[in-house]
Amino acid sequence: AQSVSQHNHHVILSEAASLELGCNYSYGGTVNLFWYVQYPGQHLQLLLKYFSGDPLVKGIKGFEAEFIKSKFSFNLRKPSVQWSDTAEYFCAVNLNTNAGKSTFGDGTTLTVKP
Amino acid sequence: DAGVTQSPTHLIKTRGQQVTLRCSPKSGHDTVSWYQQALGQGPQFIFQYYEEEERQRGNFPDRFSGHQFPNYSSELNVNALLLGDSALYLCASSLIANTEAFFGQGTRLTVV
Repeated sequence: AQSVSQHNHHVILSEAASLELGCNYSYGGTVNLFWYVQYPGQHLQLLLKYFSGDPLVKGIKGFEAEFIKSKFSFNLRKPSVQWSDTAEYFCAVNLNTNAGKSTFGDGTTLTVKP
Repeated sequence: DAGVTQSPTHLIKTRGQQVTLRCSPKSGHDTVSWYQQALGQGPQFIFQYYEEEERQRGNFPDRFSGHQFPNYSSELNVNALLLGDSALYLCASSLIANTEAFFGQGTRLTVV
């Protein structure tokens, strides 16, 4: 069965610092990759997704992620974080066009200090 | 356009009882998936319903069952509740042919 690993459980940054959250998955076939964000008290929202094509994917709110197939990685980046980026971030993978069955990592809690 | 709605938002049950959680998918979506999110963990896939049938199932015991209605809404039932069933239960809806799922805010279940 596929698995997803998020290396950082809790990240603390100051505003304007750069962000990179790691994500690795364990499946060698064709995958679809996602990053979700969960702001305090809110539901999971899709930040960005990769299906195919350009491995550098741009999402909402200035986030981007790079798919590196050889490393089974899909790291999330943002050049300059804001206090409002404080949230929990989840990496997820699914193995086909079935969006409903995704495998999630355990999440990374990001705290941005003003 | 309403997103995915779940009810109730919070629930407290006693060990051994049964519980039913409800989900209305986003307008136009025909597939509902359920996830369990324990504290400090990512969501884990329970099962998925499409055309009123369970289409896929994760590694959860038979105490977890579900149903999908003709209007695409869905219920998650858990029998013989255990303390370990305490979690946030998330519903996600999608189009079976699409690749993006939308999540509800979840139902927080506490088993005491």
